[in-house]
Amino acid sequence: NAGVTQTPKFRVLKTGQSMTLLCAQDMNHEYMYWYRQDPGMGLRLIHYSVGEGTTAKGEVPDGYNVSRLKKQNFLLGLESAAPSQTSVYFCASSYGAGGHYNEQFFGPGTRLTVL
Amino acid sequence: RKEVEQDPGPFNVPEGATVAFNCTYSNSASQSFFWYRQDCRKEPKLLMSVYSSGNEDGRFTAQLNRASQYISLLIRDSKLSDSATYLCVVNINSGSARQLTFGSGTQLTVLP
Repeated sequence: NAGVTQTPKFRVLKTGQSMTLLCAQDMNHEYMYWYRQDPGMGLRLIHYSVGEGTTAKGEVPDGYNVSRLKKQNFLLGLESAAPSQTSVYFCASSYGAGGHYNEQFFGPGTRLTVL
Repeated sequence: RKEVEQDPGPFNVPEGATVAFNCTYSNSASQSFFWYRQDCRKEPKLLMSVYSSGNEDGRFTAQLNRASQYISLLIRDSKLSDSATYLCVVNINSGSARQLTFGSGTQLTVLP
């Protein structure tokens, strides 16, 4: 099992460009999440999904959109990138959302720089 | 005030030392608690869950104090391989799906 994979691993964008980050999991998890990690800030939840076809906003959703057309995939889109979106992006998935079944498995991350 | 607060460190300790990290959380309705470990430039991975009665996994011991709203992690007989950032994580029920709130992490370096 590959677990959680993310593509691409690195990307450099210019301000105003768009891009899509792809997350895939092969654990048949219902829940998927997108986080960003910035120095001194910890991981912050951008958007999440509780199942195929559903999405919901997290703590910092502005400037991002997501889609979950297939259970195994969760896409994160930046329509018009800004330098403030320079960050490391992690995707995660979990079996459930209750108590200790909420262990989240993370992908390796995408390092995004917006110039 | 941050929802989950940790001392950022860094903690530099010699091999074999015992080291303890604390974490405080602000939401008294928080329901479950975890420690994750993150190696440099890698993804976070679950180290251990934290149960109300406290729990131990080898050299690692986690404690929860609900009255004071803090969680601790004790590492005994530190190894070089324990060098990492330790993230305190709290499950705060949010609407229809519970979400994890992460502390910003405590950096540990174990020195030879």
